[in-house]
Amino acid sequence: KAGVTQTPRYLIKTRGQQVTLSCSPISGHRSVSWYQQTPGQGLQFLFEYFSETQRNKGNFPGRFSGRQFSNSRSEMNVSTLELGDSALYLCASSVDGGPYEQYFGPGTRLTVT
Amino acid sequence: KQEVTQIPAALSVPEGENLVLNCSFTDSAIYNLQWFRQDPGKGLTSLLLIQSSQREQTSGRLNASLDKSSGRSTLYIAASQPGDSATYLCAPSTGYGNKLVFGAGTILRVKS
Repeated sequence: KAGVTQTPRYLIKTRGQQVTLSCSPISGHRSVSWYQQTPGQGLQFLFEYFSETQRNKGNFPGRFSGRQFSNSRSEMNVSTLELGDSALYLCASSVDGGPYEQYFGPGTRLTVT
Repeated sequence: KQEVTQIPAALSVPEGENLVLNCSFTDSAIYNLQWFRQDPGKGLTSLLLIQSSQREQTSGRLNASLDKSSGRSTLYIAASQPGDSATYLCAPSTGYGNKLVFGAGTILRVKS
């Protein structure tokens, strides 16, 4: 069974631009969560989607948004990028509404210049 | 608000040693707790999941215990190997859905 995949793996953007990251969960998994990892703040929860609905949201500004499609694939969008948004963005999937074991993808490394 | 602390922050041991990583959390109302490892610049690999009703879980050379009432979990690694070098993270799941709260991790280096 294929694992969680994330695209792109690396991305360089300029301040003020926007970016969209994609996550494909393990086949059969319906929950997708997003996390941001930085050296200073560690791993922080962004949001979780289950059956195309956002179920949980972390403490991030409204510039961070996401959505989930009917095939459980998820995207997250960051608008008006800031230098502090440079981070590793990780996506995790689990089989159902939770709490269940979560499986992480390899991440997208975003660099904002 | 759940807060997770991992001790020690870093650990360097010679190959073959048995070692213990500690994790404490402030909110004992957890559903489960996962231990992960992360290699530099990579995603997280799930090692063990302990349900709140369990006391321990084993996988190969790894054994994780959970004392929910005292807000503690430990990860025991037997006969450590250089390939075990990584950052180890614990993450309890509380509240609604699949939200995990992570500690800062323990950076482990096993010297050959």
